[in-house]
Amino acid sequence: AQTVTQSQPEMSVQEAETVTLSCTYDTSESDYYLFWYKQPPSRQMILVIRQEAYKQQNATENRFSVNFQKAAKSFSLKISDSQLGDAAMYFCAYRGFTSGTYKYIFGTGTRLKVLA
Amino acid sequence: DSGVTQTPKHLITATGQRVTLRCSPRSGDLSVYWYQQSLDQGLQFLIHYYNGEERAKGNILERFSAQQFPDLHSELNLSSLELGDSALYFCASSAQTGGKAFFGQGTRLTVV
Repeated sequence: AQTVTQSQPEMSVQEAETVTLSCTYDTSESDYYLFWYKQPPSRQMILVIRQEAYKQQNATENRFSVNFQKAAKSFSLKISDSQLGDAAMYFCAYRGFTSGTYKYIFGTGTRLKVLA
Repeated sequence: DSGVTQTPKHLITATGQRVTLRCSPRSGDLSVYWYQQSLDQGLQFLIHYYNGEERAKGNILERFSAQQFPDLHSELNLSSLELGDSALYFCASSAQTGGKAFFGQGTRLTVV
């Protein structure tokens, strides 16, 4: 069965600095997607970045980038030039496609604190 | 296995009908959250219950309602279903509000 592990329950970063959130996963599938979601106090889950497993190039979205290591099954999120608004829970998620249906697995989240 | 159980896994129903989605949180978790995900959109927060009481409401339609029972399981009721209600519905639980969250595998609702 697929699993997603976020081993850092909480991280802190100074404003304007860079922080990396870790995520590892396990799967036997070769084709899948990986996501990072941000959950602010509103509880809305905002899609931060998405990576297709078949793409070797790491996805980037402005200040957010990932380090996707397929062989190591690692998918870390790097936030550059951290801003106060980046403070939130961050969830790593895996999406596979098996037997004609999507399957989503979420990590337990990392709480990011941004210090002024 | 996150420990959060959602039933049913799949549901196909006709427009105008009413369905009930069920969520059993992890043992000991008092908080239950419901989310809706349509196509490839982010998860839309619907509602949060803590120990039987509604704590927060998101973008939940009036046609939708939820409750958390004394045994802490939760149900999401969707009525007068429309085609646009077709989505994945996720439940998550945590021991405390804002704590580590564990997600169920979701219920895929298809309205035809």
